[in-house]
This record gives sequence, structure tokens and C-alpha cells, in this order.
Amino acid sequence: KAGVTQTPRYLIKTRGQQVTLSCSPISGHRSVSWYQQTPGQGLQFLFEYFSETQRNKGNFPGRFSGRQFSNSRSEMNVSTLELGDSALYLCASSSTGTAQETQYFGPGTRLLVL
Amino acid sequence: DQQVKQNSPSLSVQEGRISILNCDYTNSMFDYFLWYKKYPAEGPTFLISISSIKDKNEDGRFTVFLNKSAKHLSLHIVPSQPGDSAVYFCAAMEYGNKLVFGAGTILRVKS
Repeated sequence: KAGVTQTPRYLIKTRGQQVTLSCSPISGHRSVSWYQQTPGQGLQFLFEYFSETQRNKGNFPGRFSGRQFSNSRSEMNVSTLELGDSALYLCASSSTGTAQETQYFGPGTRLLVL
Repeated sequence: DQQVKQNSPSLSVQEGRISILNCDYTNSMFDYFLWYKKYPAEGPTFLISISSIKDKNEDGRFTVFLNKSAKHLSLHIVPSQPGDSAVYFCAAMEYGNKLVFGAGTILRVKS
């Protein structure tokens, strides 16, 4: 079974631009979560989607948004990019997103904001 | 406020010996814990997990111990191999499906 895939792997943007990242979960998985990893803040939860609905949201500004499609693929969008948005963005999938269920991560998208 | 803490930024171990990575948490509502291994520029790879109703879980060379009263868990790797050198993250599952991560411990296994 193929793992979680994320595109693109690397991205360079300038301040003020917006960016869209894509994630395809493991086949059959319906829950997709997004995390941001930075040297200063570590790995932080952004949001989780299940059946095209956002079920859970972390403590990030409204510039960070996401959506999920009927095939469980997910996108996250960051608008009005700031230098501090430079990070590794990770997507994780799990079968149903219920309690005590392992999340499997993709390779991440490295975003650099100049 | 760090709810999951990995107080050792790094650990160096000789090949063949035991590696012990520690993790403390503050939220007594956490009921599921996971360990992930991460190489640079890659996503975290799941290693092993433990439910709060257990105190030990084994999978090959990896064993996780949970002490609920102390709010402490540890990952034991025996025997350690050079390929185990990576960053290890402890994570706890909060309400719903949200993972709260520790800061990570860099493990170096010397041959």
C-alpha cells in the first residue's frame, strides 16, 4: 500500500504571496491532519479533516486554511505569507481519526518564504 | 506551556548497547502515546505506541514503558544499531485526533 504523499516537496515564495500544499492519504484512510515543524516551535498541529469537514483546529491564525475532497485528498492554503511561515509542513493520515489510532506521516513540503 | 517534554536534547550510545529515550507529560487526559523516528528532510516514521491502559508494549527491538502515576514514558531500543541514529519524537494524543509532540531527542549510535 502506498504511503502518504505530499506535493510539492519544496517551495519558495515571497512575503505576501499565498501557497497551496497538497496531501494524498494512504488508500482507505479518511482522516487527514496537518502539522507545521519549525526549529523554534517544533511540531505543531494545524487542523484535521474527516469526510470533508474540519473536525479539529490548532492555534494558528486564519491565514492558514484547508479543505478535504470526497476522495480524502486534502489541501492546505496559507495566504499573505510571512517570513515566519517558513517551515516543514507535514500531512498525516489515519483510518477513521478516532481515538488511539496511529497517524502515518508523509515526507512533508519544505516551504521557504523570502 | 509544554504538555509533552523530552528533556534530553541528545543521547549518544555505543552500537549493541541499550538506548533509553525519556518523555514526560503533564496532561492526565492523554490516553494514547506514540514514538516516531525522523530523519532530516523526511516525515516522521511511526515506531511504536502504547495505550494508557497498558504499562508496556514491545515490538522487536523497541519497547515502550508507561508510568501513569509519574506521567512518564520511555522508549528502549535493544540492541542499538547505527541505523537507529535519528531524531526521536514522543507524542501524546489529545482530544479527537490531535497529536501533541515533544521537542525531540537526537540519538547517535556509534559503531
